[in-house]
Amino acid sequence: NAGVTQTPKFQVLKTGQSMTLQCAQDMNHNSMYWYRQDPGMGLRLIYYSASEGTTDKGEVPNGYNVSRLNKREFSLRLESAAPSQTSVYFCASTPWADTQYFGPGTRLTVL
Amino acid sequence: TQLLEQSPQFLSIQEGENLTVYCNSSSVFSSLQWYRQEPGEGPVLLVTVVTGGEVKKLKRLTFQFGDARKDSSLHITAAQPGDTGLYLCAGPSYSGAGSYQLTFGKGTKLSVIP
Repeated sequence: NAGVTQTPKFQVLKTGQSMTLQCAQDMNHNSMYWYRQDPGMGLRLIYYSASEGTTDKGEVPNGYNVSRLNKREFSLRLESAAPSQTSVYFCASTPWADTQYFGPGTRLTVL
Repeated sequence: TQLLEQSPQFLSIQEGENLTVYCNSSSVFSSLQWYRQEPGEGPVLLVTVVTGGEVKKLKRLTFQFGDARKDSSLHITAAQPGDTGLYLCAGPSYSGAGSYQLTFGKGTKLSVIP
């Protein structure tokens, strides 16, 4: 039982490049979330998926897209990376209105 | 938008000292969660407080939910280096179609010096 897994763990991009961050959970949770964490800013919600087949914007969605591929997987895509997207990205899941279980994070640098 | 303010932002103390960190809001929350995040890892839930005035103890950690359910505190007795980390409070919000989100405070970064 791996919990929430994220790939890659580290990534360096050049401005304008695209990439997809992958997240998977094996706990049969309904809801999944993508956050970014910047120094002094706490965790800010980018997008979430309340259940398979639905996605909604969070606090800071600009520059990102998401796909809830199935119940297990929720990916985050940066179409044209910008230095302002340098951050640590966390994926989380929850069965329903309960504890959120977080992955280990992806550390992204955009040059 | 419901905001959670945490204080202090940074705290550096000697091993064995006691400390309290705070989480305040102008909004009422149905519950509040406390998470701890260690360097290089994701946050992990410590406790959820649900009832106004509730006090929960987790070994040397004591969590309190304010009577009006707008604030919470975390008190650590005899801090140890293993308590070092970022402490985050989070409050839930619900919208239509079964949507549930957490709003996080910015956190208190605690360093316990041996």
